[in-house]
Amino acid sequence: EAQVTQNPRYLITVTGKKLTVTCSQNMNHEYMSWYRQDPGLGLRQIYYSMNVEVTDKGDVPEGYKVSRKEKRNFPLILESPSPNQTSLYFCASSTLGGTEAFFGQGTRLTVV
Amino acid sequence: GDSVTQMEGPVTLSEEAFLTINCTYTATGYPSLFWYVQYPGEGLQLLLKATKADDKGSNKGFEATYRKETTSFHLEKGSVQVSDSAVYFCALRRAISNFGNEKLTFGTGTRLTIIP
Repeated sequence: EAQVTQNPRYLITVTGKKLTVTCSQNMNHEYMSWYRQDPGLGLRQIYYSMNVEVTDKGDVPEGYKVSRKEKRNFPLILESPSPNQTSLYFCASSTLGGTEAFFGQGTRLTVV
Repeated sequence: GDSVTQMEGPVTLSEEAFLTINCTYTATGYPSLFWYVQYPGEGLQLLLKATKADDKGSNKGFEATYRKETTSFHLEKGSVQVSDSAVYFCALRRAISNFGNEKLTFGTGTRLTIIP
């Protein structure tokens, strides 16, 4: 089954404790990206990757890092989380030039 | 920059009612337009899409027509069901070159609740 898998689904952490949210897709997609969803703001792009070792900032990259060492995986790293990073995070993947993006089920992160 | 404005929610309708969720956009060039749906506890799923002016996207009884003259992509369904209760997002993706960011620009979402 074609899917994008994120882990964990839910996470509560404390300010400053490094964390990683994993994202994996099994569709051999080149393009992957991370979004955060906040009430009244919709989804905003954090980072994206067009292929292995090719990553770039989206609209709201501050406080986040990513890596793309393998085509299927695109982890999101919060080196020092802060409460304003409390949000619902989605990973998405698609073929380059494709018209459909596939989304993971989301990770609800709370930073206290 | 690109932006999407959609109808504020929440929207509550009775089963079998007619649904319209308004969506307008601002973008340069000729973007592709999408409606995504988010069911409770799940990720986003593509509901329908249109890639050029006057195209009509349709799926599961939902329809939306790409209107370039009014920069709109309103979502409609003739008879809603309880199972349609979800959050609906209008989105656009700008036409890009081979090496451009393929990001989606989303509206704020409209929560729809259908009561029996």
